Amino acid sequence: QSVLTQPPSVSAAPGQKVTISCSGSSSNIGNNFVSWHQQLPGTAPKVLIYENDKRPSGIPDRFSGSKSGTSATLGIAGLQTGDEADYYCGTWDSSLSVWVFGGGTKLTVL
Amino acid sequence: QITLKESGPTLVKPTQTLTLTCTFSGFSFSTGGVGVGWIRQPPGKALEWLALVYWDDDKRYSPSLKRRLTITKDTSKNQVVLTMTNMDPVDTATYYCAHLGSMPFDYWGHGTLVTVSS
Repeated sequence: QSVLTQPPSVSAAPGQKVTISCSGSSSNIGNNFVSWHQQLPGTAPKVLIYENDKRPSGIPDRFSGSKSGTSATLGIAGLQTGDEADYYCGTWDSSLSVWVFGGGTKLTVL
Repeated sequence: QITLKESGPTLVKPTQTLTLTCTFSGFSFSTGGVGVGWIRQPPGKALEWLALVYWDDDKRYSPSLKRRLTITKDTSKNQVVLTMTNMDPVDTATYYCAHLGSMPFDYWGHGTLVTVSS
């Protein structure tokens, strides 16, 4: 049971937009930066978003991140079949002094 | 170019100690702010953060596994070693090491699958 809560799955049609939520508390999301990782089947995770809303070089602007209070959201616009993957939010937990990942959300592009 | 590679046994017996080595290139622990972490993923399950060591030898562990984990770094060899004692079949997972710098876990190794079975 992760301290960060994500929906187990989301789905949408190609070309549509989907959002994935990540809910935490004041000891983690509320007072620390959030990152998002994408894990394509059979591969290592890749960072999509860091510091709540920043994209590393090479990540298309179809991917966006936001944070409000103790929740964060990943948005993916213009869905493509290649976006089918597991998505994980992550942040530092100040009270535990550890990194925490969410339970992951499986995205299906119908 | 930053690369990381995990190495270690693919099969361990219950109660044995697992030792995994992460060998990296493209960065150094001489650089302030740098860290290397270990993350595991049981088959079909979510990522689980295990441990992290920083350039200044500050170490952090998952509270639920702290008693079983030890993380060390060898700056001269560009390696980070994770040991996990008293292995159990539930510890069967792919174990990843990852770089932490200006972004959290921006570079990952390919991962190594460790199976715990008698």
